[in-house]
Amino acid sequence: QKEVEQDPGPLSVPEGAIVSLNCTYSNSAFQYFMWYRQYSRKGPELLMYTYSSGNKEDGRFTAQVDKSSKYISLFIRDSQPSDSATYLCAMTANYGGSQGNLIFGKGTKLSVKP
Amino acid sequence: SAVISQKPSRDICQRGTSLTIQCQVDSQVTMMFWYRQQPGQSLTLIATANQGSEATYESGFVIDKFPISRPNLTFSTLTVSNMSPEDSSIYLCSVDQGSGYGYTFGSGTRLTVV
Repeated sequence: QKEVEQDPGPLSVPEGAIVSLNCTYSNSAFQYFMWYRQYSRKGPELLMYTYSSGNKEDGRFTAQVDKSSKYISLFIRDSQPSDSATYLCAMTANYGGSQGNLIFGKGTKLSVKP
Repeated sequence: SAVISQKPSRDICQRGTSLTIQCQVDSQVTMMFWYRQQPGQSLTLIATANQGSEATYESGFVIDKFPISRPNLTFSTLTVSNMSPEDSSIYLCSVDQGSGYGYTFGSGTRLTVV
């Protein structure tokens, strides 16, 4: 079992839809969770950063962490064509120092149709 | 957040040759990180570069193949040596923004080896 599992999609939704992106993980020590957005031919851009369980909201984006289920989610409300990108989850047990323990999902490719 | 400039953005190289990728950050950072992103795969950490010391390589990556320089707190280079088609990938540098801010990535270098 991989440490982080993420459905690669592709996921296609109409403009205005609510999008739910998810990752599951196996290492209960993970406590720092990140979501990145990566446009084609660009580097990953940090969208959301959360520590431990709970919700975090930033504009149209909400990140949820359920450590008891080892499950994290990113919700996008009122999705726009400009949200079309690949979304990567990443997580680690210990922030700072070496990034050797920063584990990424493979990414979910999202397409928002006008 | 830190701004990372990465050069070149893309290149097509002949097998057996070497390519040096540059990463410039607009602020001083202790550690810089080099990743590889292969199609359909997770981001994989190649090595961690500390200023003034030898880079630390992850399992499966060796200094002879991926020599790294870190001459100061804002700059690093990664060389992909004796390239083969299997080295075709996106190479990314990353820095730590500090606890609460996550990790920032450069725009990447898309390498094709023919």
